[in-house]
Amino acid sequence: DIQMTQSPSYLSASVGDRITITCRASQTVNRFLNWYQQTPGKAPKLLVYGASTLQSGVPSRFSGSGSGTDFTLTITSLQVEDFATYYCQQTHIAPKTFGQGTKVDVK
Amino acid sequence: QVHLRESGPGLVKPSGTLSLTCVVSGASLTTSTWWSWVRQSPGKGLEWIGEIYHSGTTHYSPSLRSRVAISIDTSNNQFSLILNSVTAADTAMYYCARGGHYFDSSSGSEGSVFDTWGQGTKVSVSA
Repeated sequence: DIQMTQSPSYLSASVGDRITITCRASQTVNRFLNWYQQTPGKAPKLLVYGASTLQSGVPSRFSGSGSGTDFTLTITSLQVEDFATYYCQQTHIAPKTFGQGTKVDVK
Repeated sequence: QVHLRESGPGLVKPSGTLSLTCVVSGASLTTSTWWSWVRQSPGKGLEWIGEIYHSGTTHYSPSLRSRVAISIDTSNNQFSLILNSVTAADTAMYYCARGGHYFDSSSGSEGSVFDTWGQGTKVSVSA
């Protein structure tokens, strides 16, 4: 199985901050890396697919980059609605594993 | 617009069988798409359980493979999850999701993305 490791697991930030979340795969996943956002009590929501393509309707302050084993999700100018948990997922090879999540909360 | 809705018992006894169904509307299960199950234990992260293709081909998580089965019913546009010999560790929110696809130009291959999710159904394992 491909293991996905996110860092940090917790991140405290303020509105307007720029934050970056990292996701590392235990072996190459090419660019088959997706990012999801989950708020309490809700299903995950797709943000970025193919490492860097923004899903339709997702604000442009979100961006993804990377390839191979190292990926990042960046949020420029954090908004109130962005306080949530973020997960990366590789879909290169089944099982389509998720990272353990990064919770972004208010500083 | 595509919608997925999970249904099934909210309580299952230890050593029993968990059985859930995901009804899909707005899309046909006969198309070239993978349909997945994902679960989330209380306070924990997302765990991929497995997926099924319209042809019936399946992939499962190695940690659950001995206990899990996913089936598809294209005539009723739904797919199902069976998990046997459940324990308290199987208590979780269970989601179904559509594995949409896109073309990745860098590799020349098709990628998969969980673009539509059900709202989830909570399952507790308890006597």
